[in-house]
Amino acid sequence: DVKVTQSSRYLVKRTGEKVFLECVQDMDHENMFWYRQDPGLGLRLIYFSYDVKMKEKGDIPEGYSVSREKKERFSLILESASTNQTSMYLCASALSTRFEQFFGPGTRLTVL
Amino acid sequence: KQEVTQIPAALSVPEGENLVLNCSFTDSAIYNLQWFRQDPGKGLTSLLLIQSSQREQTSGRLNASLDKSSGRSTLYIAASQPGDSATYLCAVPNQAGTALIFGKGTTLSVSS
Repeated sequence: DVKVTQSSRYLVKRTGEKVFLECVQDMDHENMFWYRQDPGLGLRLIYFSYDVKMKEKGDIPEGYSVSREKKERFSLILESASTNQTSMYLCASALSTRFEQFFGPGTRLTVL
Repeated sequence: KQEVTQIPAALSVPEGENLVLNCSFTDSAIYNLQWFRQDPGKGLTSLLLIQSSQREQTSGRLNASLDKSSGRSTLYIAASQPGDSATYLCAVPNQAGTALIFGKGTTLSVSS
């Protein structure tokens, strides 16, 4: 079974802090994704990566950056956290963008 | 632009009932459609993936159908149980095939 893990289930940070969310998958998938989920807005794509060191912006990349130095690990970085970044963050991986996506357990981030 | 709609937004049924969840999409040129389950505060669990060439997929008490021409998919749950209570989401790849576009979900409550 594919396993996608995220570094934290819950995080509380202060406005202006730099925040790192990490995601690791164990199935050698080429593609990895970061989404955020908000009530009433559903899931929205922040960034995705189709190979090591390769990335593309999703629908809502503002205020975020990503890093993929190794195939199995995809990090989401909030350069200067703001209260409107309080959300549930979900990481996913897939063999191909046209194949099944597998999700991690999510990180509930609260920015005070 | 692809849009995914799920109706109803919420559904309450007694245990043992068979039920159908609906998903519609505006652009029929999809590669596949995926159904997920999400428990409160948790990540997404993949239930079924239907490729565009398929008309249905089955897993245990779940059966998902796909009608591309009408832009619809249904998830049929047989003999519902309280453990089936969760939010069910459907998703299709975007036109570029770079990420999934999600519906807002149907929240199912099965009472014993």
